[in-house]
Parts: sequence; structure tokens; C-alpha cells
Amino acid sequence: SQKIEQNSEALNIQEGKTATLTCNYTNYSPAYLQWYRQDPGRGPVFLLLIRENEKEKRKERLKVTFDTTLKQSLFHITASQPADSATYLCALLAGNNRKLIWGLGTSLAVNP
Amino acid sequence: SAVISQKPSRDICQRGTSLTIQCQVDSQVTMMFWYRQQPGQSLTLIATANQGSEATYESGFVIDKFPISRPNLTFSTLTVSNMSPEDSSIYLCSVFSGAGNTIYFGEGSWLTVV
Repeated sequence: SQKIEQNSEALNIQEGKTATLTCNYTNYSPAYLQWYRQDPGRGPVFLLLIRENEKEKRKERLKVTFDTTLKQSLFHITASQPADSATYLCALLAGNNRKLIWGLGTSLAVNP
Repeated sequence: SAVISQKPSRDICQRGTSLTIQCQVDSQVTMMFWYRQQPGQSLTLIATANQGSEATYESGFVIDKFPISRPNLTFSTLTVSNMSPEDSSIYLCSVFSGAGNTIYFGEGSWLTVV
């Protein structure tokens, strides 16, 4: 079955550094891969979408890469700030029925 | 992007009761989705709410437990029936973007069943 894995351990980094989060998937060739931010008790907020034919996508301090050979996406936050502290979710758009398959998320803490 | 409003944002419910969650979107959409996110778990799709037809439920979810209404293209409700502590969760309403590739969520309804 399709499976998505994200770093289960929380990531702690110092303010100003680059945070890198990983999303690995198996048994599927997704057309799209998406990253969301979720704060405690709130709904996920869309950040970036990357297509299978795109290697990299940027938005302000955010960068996403997509390696369909490795079946992996990396999510980078440069010049991180304490306000970036949240859980970051990876999701794949699966099949013609357009269902999203979600990872468990990785918790990021940016320390001042 | 779509603006999605959910009510209630948070509630504490007694075991055995039912609660209806409302979802309002600021634009007309064909499909609306209801998700559940239990503590420490990933998002799980409950059902797809279709306007003018029965909702389509995912494996493990049934209409008797989670009845859904979709009276028009901007509104849907999800009822969590006969609640037990295991139903304590965030319930999320969502829609696809206009381009159809991105999903947008409401703020969520955080239910605690005691």
C-alpha cells in the first residue's frame, strides 16, 4: 500500500539556520506532492505544491525539492525564525480519485 | 484560495450525544471533504460530500455514525453521532482549489468527548 514517512523525531534548530525536513514515499508515483503547516489544534495551511516534472520550487524562504528516483521530497526553511515553529505535513495526491495521502508530520522548533 | 469557516471551533461533549459541525465556503465548490485527525495521528479522510447526492464514505466510516448533509455548493455539515471518547479529535472540512491540485482546510473543530 502507499506509504509516506516523515521524520518522527522533532527537529530543533537555532534561529537563523536552515531547517530541512524529509518526506519519503513508497509504492506510488505521485503527480503532485504538497507541504502544509499545522499549528496545534488548527487546520493545516497549504504552503507549496511541486509536480513530478519539477525538481525544485521556491516561495520566499521556503524551498521544496522532489526526487522521483529516490522517492523523496525535501522541505527547506532558510533563515528560520521562532514563528516557523509548527508541524509540517507532507501529502501526495493519489490516483484519479484525487485522494490525498498524508504523512504524520514533523515537528519543528526554532529556538531564539 | 478558498476561505472556509467551521463551527464550532471547539466543544466538550458528553458520551452518547451527537454534535453537528458546520462548514461554509466562500465560493461554490463541487466536492467538500471531511477529515479527522486524532491525537498524534495523520489526517484521515472520512467522506466526500457531494452536492445533490449521497456522501461517499471511506473504509471504516459509515453514514450512521457520520451523517453528512450537502444542501448547496457552499455548505456542508458533518454529524458525529453517539459519541465516545474515541471520537475525540479535530474534524476538518476541506475543498480543492480552483485549479484542483491543492486542498484548503477550515480551522478545524476540536471535539473532546468525556
